[in-house]
Amino acid sequence: SSELTQDPAVSVALGQTVRITCQGDSLRSYYASWYQQKPGQAPVLVIYGKNNRPSGIPDRFSGSSSGNTASLTITGAQAEDEADYYCNSRDSSGNLVVFGGGTKLTVL
Amino acid sequence: QVQLQQWGAGLLKPSETLSLTCAVYGGSFSGYYWSWIRQPPGKGLEWIGEINHSGSTNYNPSLKSRVTISVDTSKNQFSLKLSSVTAADTAVYYCARGRDSYDDYYYYYMDVWGKGTTVTVSS
Repeated sequence: SSELTQDPAVSVALGQTVRITCQGDSLRSYYASWYQQKPGQAPVLVIYGKNNRPSGIPDRFSGSSSGNTASLTITGAQAEDEADYYCNSRDSSGNLVVFGGGTKLTVL
Repeated sequence: QVQLQQWGAGLLKPSETLSLTCAVYGGSFSGYYWSWIRQPPGKGLEWIGEINHSGSTNYNPSLKSRVTISVDTSKNQFSLKLSSVTAADTAVYYCARGRDSYDDYYYYYMDVWGKGTTVTVSS
């Protein structure tokens, strides 16, 4: 399968921890990458590889993987973390690129 | 600091060909895959296709019959053409730099994105 599946929406109380998940067959062979997108802006890479953060991404963002499921964890969510989050990887063939459907994170 | 600058026509009529170009500034063109991604209003990201510096391409099977991605290494630019557009092709189109790597598992990521171009298809 070339699909990645995400929950459409997740909410978290300010300062609490939230996990956003992404499932797909390709994730048995690939780590997922994660992107944050705020309204009217281009996506921004927040996690890639085993658990790598690009420069400028706060360390409250972390990634993990188990079986066919990848997770993005935000430890101590802030108001500015409210955004859409997308996972992404190559598909099982390694030739194509796939995105999850996105998760809208609301910080209460 | 690598930057991507993209441009192209923003308003098309049905059956016309969408044409966008993305220029790469401040970094190497080789060693990466250069992608086009689109996002219809209110919807998620859809990968369209990619090209590397030698011209090798991969396309989303759902769009493959209408898509051509090309590269001009002399200008550090890559381009997208999408033929026979309809209202369903209305979206924000992004260009992005992609990279494959390995660390126990393989992984792929897009670390640099253009600002996006809004393309509207309307008669």
